[in-house]
Amino acid sequence: EVQLVESGGGFIQPGGSLRLSCAASGLSVRINYMTWVRQAPGKGLEWVSAVYDDGSTYYAESVKGRFIISRDTSKDTVYLLMNSLRPDDTAIYYCARAAAGHHFDYWGQGILVTVSS
Amino acid sequence: SYVLTQAPSVSVAPGKTASITCGGKNIGTKSVHWYQQKPGQAPVPVIFYDSDRPSGIPERFSGSNSGNTATLTISRVEAGDEAEYYCQVWDRNSDHPYVFGTGTKVTVL
Repeated sequence: EVQLVESGGGFIQPGGSLRLSCAASGLSVRINYMTWVRQAPGKGLEWVSAVYDDGSTYYAESVKGRFIISRDTSKDTVYLLMNSLRPDDTAIYYCARAAAGHHFDYWGQGILVTVSS
Repeated sequence: SYVLTQAPSVSVAPGKTASITCGGKNIGTKSVHWYQQKPGQAPVPVIFYDSDRPSGIPERFSGSNSGNTATLTISRVEAGDEAEYYCQVWDRNSDHPYVFGTGTKVTVL
């Protein structure tokens, strides 16, 4: 059974940094496309970032230059380092596996990040 | 970047059919995926590749895709189908390849 468990969220002031973790079980992050998707309060889903099996990374325009996605294949864990956080980064952040067809078939339960002074 | 447009809301009586559309330029040339999200829960996939149902999704859920519109159809709607529904595509030509629709809230009357 595949499980994705996010951690590292919380309350942070604008301009601060936070690192989210996504611990995977039942799949190897080394051979999968792993992504982060977020949802601001009362808003829709927004794709944030992805790391592919070959190590290539992709970012939404809204976070490019501020967020960094990485992975530790020995721990089957994916990270999202979020720098220069802004109030509009406040959201629930989901870790999700993008299957070969680039659809999201496994999701974590989500972790809340609140950016506020 | 690629844009997917959905109507904000759809209302349907129990037992009737709900149609949720997702508009995008030449979306018929892409594979469209659909997700159901209930309050406080993570999204759940209900349709992959335009019309394939993941394991465990009732046959009442179906999909189609042609031209500039993809459609998720829920037949014999039940109270438990009340949720937000999102379409999603992968835009291979973009540096921001994953695109979600704006979401449609389905209300069961």
